[in-house]
Amino acid sequence: KNEVEQSPQNLTAQEGEFITINCSYSVGISALHWLQQHPGGGIVSLFMLSSGKKKHGRLIATINIQEKHSSLHITASHPRDSAVYICAVPLLSGGGADGLTFGKGTHLIIQP
Amino acid sequence: NAGVMQNPRHLVRRRGQEARLRCSPMKGHSHVYWYRQLPEEGLKFMVYLQKENIIDESGMPKERFSAEFPKEGPSILRIQQVVRGDSAAYFCASSPQGWAEQFFGPGTRLTVL
Repeated sequence: KNEVEQSPQNLTAQEGEFITINCSYSVGISALHWLQQHPGGGIVSLFMLSSGKKKHGRLIATINIQEKHSSLHITASHPRDSAVYICAVPLLSGGGADGLTFGKGTHLIIQP
Repeated sequence: NAGVMQNPRHLVRRRGQEARLRCSPMKGHSHVYWYRQLPEEGLKFMVYLQKENIIDESGMPKERFSAEFPKEGPSILRIQQVVRGDSAAYFCASSPQGWAEQFFGPGTRLTVL
């Protein structure tokens, strides 16, 4: 069974700072997901990636399959980026269809 | 194209009652996943369904919980004889194929009094 570790657990930064959130997982995967959850709110899928790098606006996600590690970066951070960011991978290795297992999340606060 | 729909958004039940949570996947999606988020805890997988089939229910409690995804209509997560420990946010997600990106609904927040 796959296990996911995220760091940091909590992060407070000033508006405009470059933010990095890290995720490590224990067994090989087909793809990794980055999700965003606002307090009391729903979950938004930000990225699903299986190799290399993806960019969407100010968000960048990278993955190193060999090292079983992914990072989520936010450039020019803004208070509206304040949320919980969650890394998720398939429960089981093998690449087949599967439910997800999740990291505990990174609570990000961007102060104006 | 409407997103994943869940209803009700909030549900209050007394101990011993039944809770029925509904999930309508995105159009064209035949794979549905249910997840639970207990207060102050992370998300946990419960069950994975395709139309008329349960593929993986390894995350579902053995008693009182059941799920279905009929040929027509939404997926239903049913909790019988609810207890206070069932209070949580229940999210469903859907995907067009089993290995594809999952899109999440807004969640149902269940409170058991």
